[in-house]
Amino acid sequence: AQRVTQPEKLLSVFKGAPVELKCNYSYSGSPELFWYVQYSRQRLQLLLRHISRESIKGFTADLNKGETSFHLKKPFAQEEDSAMYYCALHSGNTGKLIFGQGTTLQVKP
Amino acid sequence: DTAVSQTPKYLVTQMGNDKSIKCEQNLGHDTMYWYKQDSKKFLKIMFSYNNKELIINETVPNRFSPKSPDKAHLNLHINSLELGDSAVYFCASSRKVRTSGTSYEQYFGPGTRLTVT
Repeated sequence: AQRVTQPEKLLSVFKGAPVELKCNYSYSGSPELFWYVQYSRQRLQLLLRHISRESIKGFTADLNKGETSFHLKKPFAQEEDSAMYYCALHSGNTGKLIFGQGTTLQVKP
Repeated sequence: DTAVSQTPKYLVTQMGNDKSIKCEQNLGHDTMYWYKQDSKKFLKIMFSYNNKELIINETVPNRFSPKSPDKAHLNLHINSLELGDSAVYFCASSRKVRTSGTSYEQYFGPGTRLTVT
């Protein structure tokens, strides 16, 4: 079955601490994975995708096919990073995204 | 502003009523989607249209019927509303999936918070 799992509902860290939001997936083909973010009172927006291998707002995510993971990392968290983060898997060739349950990141001052 | 817009932003209605949510995008995208976000913030796709053709139809009750009059609009009509329909409904759009199978970024609307009493 195609599935995305984000085991942490809430991750709370202090400003300046490293952050890792976990994402594991289950997919039989070659996965295409994304991280979307929803800041307070804003719409859901793309943060990064594994294909582009870029760093956005200091966040990076590496696809590990052996561990079927796509964890999101940032070395030094900022208060403005506080938001809901969704890991998503593109399923098939229709644009269908399967989302994980979401992780709320809370960065404390 | 170029964006995905939804109306209304809030919708409060009683059980048994019929209601519609409208979505419009002016990004020139071919594909539009409806997602449901439940009370636990879990996001799940409901429908998708590509150039007015239905391409994704998840296991959604028949009371939900999407309609796409043109590729810039995707409306969601819900009949006989039930308490469990209370959720935030998000519309999104994107360019059509590449022939290689890789997808494009999806642009989301602000959401419509539906409350059924």
